[in-house]
Amino acid sequence: TQLLEQSPQFLSIQEGENLTVYCNSSSVFSSLQWYRQEPGEGPVLLVTVVTGGEVKKLKRLTFQFGDARKDSSLHITAAQPGDTGLYLCAGNQGGKLIFGQGTELSVKP
Amino acid sequence: ETGVTQTPRHLVMGMTNKKSLKCEQHLGHNAMYWYKQSAKKPLELMFVYNFKEQTENNSVPSRFSPECPNSSHLFLHLHTLQPEDSALYLCASSQVDRNQPQHFGDGTRLSIL
Repeated sequence: TQLLEQSPQFLSIQEGENLTVYCNSSSVFSSLQWYRQEPGEGPVLLVTVVTGGEVKKLKRLTFQFGDARKDSSLHITAAQPGDTGLYLCAGNQGGKLIFGQGTELSVKP
Repeated sequence: ETGVTQTPRHLVMGMTNKKSLKCEQHLGHNAMYWYKQSAKKPLELMFVYNFKEQTENNSVPSRFSPECPNSSHLFLHLHTLQPEDSALYLCASSQVDRNQPQHFGDGTRLSIL
């Protein structure tokens, strides 16, 4: 079973701080997706990265796919309370998504 | 509004009951999925349907029985569940293509008494 390990599992920060969430595996993925899930809702896609070394930006969020396509990071600049939620990375292998266990982010005003 | 609708949103049932979860997607996708989400565990893929054909059964107990009558609808029939089956059950859909993202419904919160 391929594993995707996310770190940290929990993160509580103050509004305005920066943070980075990591997603690591020993397996190679054809693509990797990041989702955010809020309580009572399903995961919502934030971004898909496909090419090794690819960097994508979504407002204050920066996503990077590792050169070897085995790992990824999500960096949030100047976090806001609205960023609070569960962040999930998911690696695509043969059309199946392998999910990490998630990072629970809490941003306090 | 994600384009994937799940009903009911909440379900409480006894171990001897029979119930069904429903998922409908309005995105024109041709692949649908059932996932189980338990606290502090990664999402677990249960079943995959591509073009209405089941292509994946991830060692799911037979007390869970999926049905996909067409590419827009997916059901999960439940029978004689156990307390450890209590979880959030998520439905997702996508195009059948290697790197296409999956779009999730808001899930059914299932509690087994």
